[in-house]
Amino acid sequence: SAVISQKPSRDICQRGTSLTIQCQVDSQVTMMFWYRQQPGQSLTLIATANQGSEATYESGFVIDKFPISRPNLTFSTLTVSNMSPEDSSIYLCSVGRETQYFGPGTRLLVL
Amino acid sequence: KQEVTQIPAALSVPEGENLVLNCSFTDSAIYNLQWFRQDPGKGLTSLLLIQSSQREQTSGRLNASLDKSSGRSTLYIAASQPGDSATYLCAVSHHMNNNAGNMLTFGGGTRLMVKP
Repeated sequence: SAVISQKPSRDICQRGTSLTIQCQVDSQVTMMFWYRQQPGQSLTLIATANQGSEATYESGFVIDKFPISRPNLTFSTLTVSNMSPEDSSIYLCSVGRETQYFGPGTRLLVL
Repeated sequence: KQEVTQIPAALSVPEGENLVLNCSFTDSAIYNLQWFRQDPGKGLTSLLLIQSSQREQTSGRLNASLDKSSGRSTLYIAASQPGDSATYLCAVSHHMNNNAGNMLTFGGGTRLMVKP
């Protein structure tokens, strides 16, 4: 199993600003995944973060809006840039080769 | 593009009932299927993982089945308890070629309420 922590756990932000979310894993992993869960919705994959290379984004998500860093095998950040109220969601990171393990999520409210 | 559907979207039952949650997916070329539980305001907890070559998995009062050819999975909860109240999500994975992880496609979830 993997233990994943995320910071911050929640935040309230003003539109037009940016927020960087941190994800820390207790073991080294090659890939980390970032998901978004909009209010009342299920999870949607934003991007896959592979250490040492550029992140791979899913359709509808772009690097300028959601830049991702992956400086080492236990850590990743997701930035939500130039936020609007539509970005209000829970953002979760996950890891796993078979069973997927998820962090507790970052609850973001954009006013 | 893989699509995952869960039925029902919401379910309310009295304590003690046995219940079945359904999950269907459109592309049968999956690597595995996973059932998760999500409590309000919390992250996801993995309940059961079924490999594509398996038919079912059991953990305590939970039993998950997989019929890959028909694109269906069910989660059976026996003798439901109020503590089972949560949203249940199924997700299918497509294996990454470098064996380094799985991308998941999620269903919309079933919100379960078990009344005392």
